[in-house]
Amino acid sequence: AQSVTQPDIHITVSEGASLELRCNYSYGATPYLFWYVQSPGQGLQLLLKYFSGDTLVQGIKGFEAEFKRSQSSFNLRKPSVHWSDAAEYFCAVGASGTASKLTFGTGTRLQVTL
Amino acid sequence: DAGITQSPRYKITETGRQVTLMCHQTWSHSYMFWYRQDLGHGLRLIYYSAAADITDKGEVPDGYVVSRSKTENFPLTLESATRSQTSVYFCASRLAGGRNNEQFFGPGTRLTVL
Repeated sequence: AQSVTQPDIHITVSEGASLELRCNYSYGATPYLFWYVQSPGQGLQLLLKYFSGDTLVQGIKGFEAEFKRSQSSFNLRKPSVHWSDAAEYFCAVGASGTASKLTFGTGTRLQVTL
Repeated sequence: DAGITQSPRYKITETGRQVTLMCHQTWSHSYMFWYRQDLGHGLRLIYYSAAADITDKGEVPDGYVVSRSKTENFPLTLESATRSQTSVYFCASRLAGGRNNEQFFGPGTRLTVL
């Protein structure tokens, strides 16, 4: 069965600083990987996704993520954080097959200090 | 407005009562999903549906019932609500197709069982 680990429950960064959120997955075949963001009181919005090909994936809002098969990781990065990036971030892995169910990590809450 | 909507957005009920949470999408997506979000658990899949009249269990289906008589609607029923079902519930949908499995999420329903 697939699983996702986000080791950091809570991260605080200063506005303008760089950000890296960690995600490790477990899946037997080539995974489909996603990062979603959830602002307070809102649903989840897709930031980026990886299916195959280039291991560095660009997303919305200036985010990128790098797939590293050897480390079973899909870490999310942003070079310069804005106060509006404060939210909860979820990494997810999708199974292959027609249902393509997603398994989510427990999330990382990002706080941005001014 | 097109998209995916959930109703009600907030619900308070009592133990033992039946509660139905509604989900409606206007994209004619084949797949629909119900998740619950709890602190420390991230999002966990309750039920999903591949098409009208086709539903299947997810990770945590006990105590829940779903139906899907129309493609656009996917109601979730708690037949006899328990305190452990206090949670935020998210509905999601996506297109059919093995690789195009980005899920789009509704705004959520916050359910409190007293």
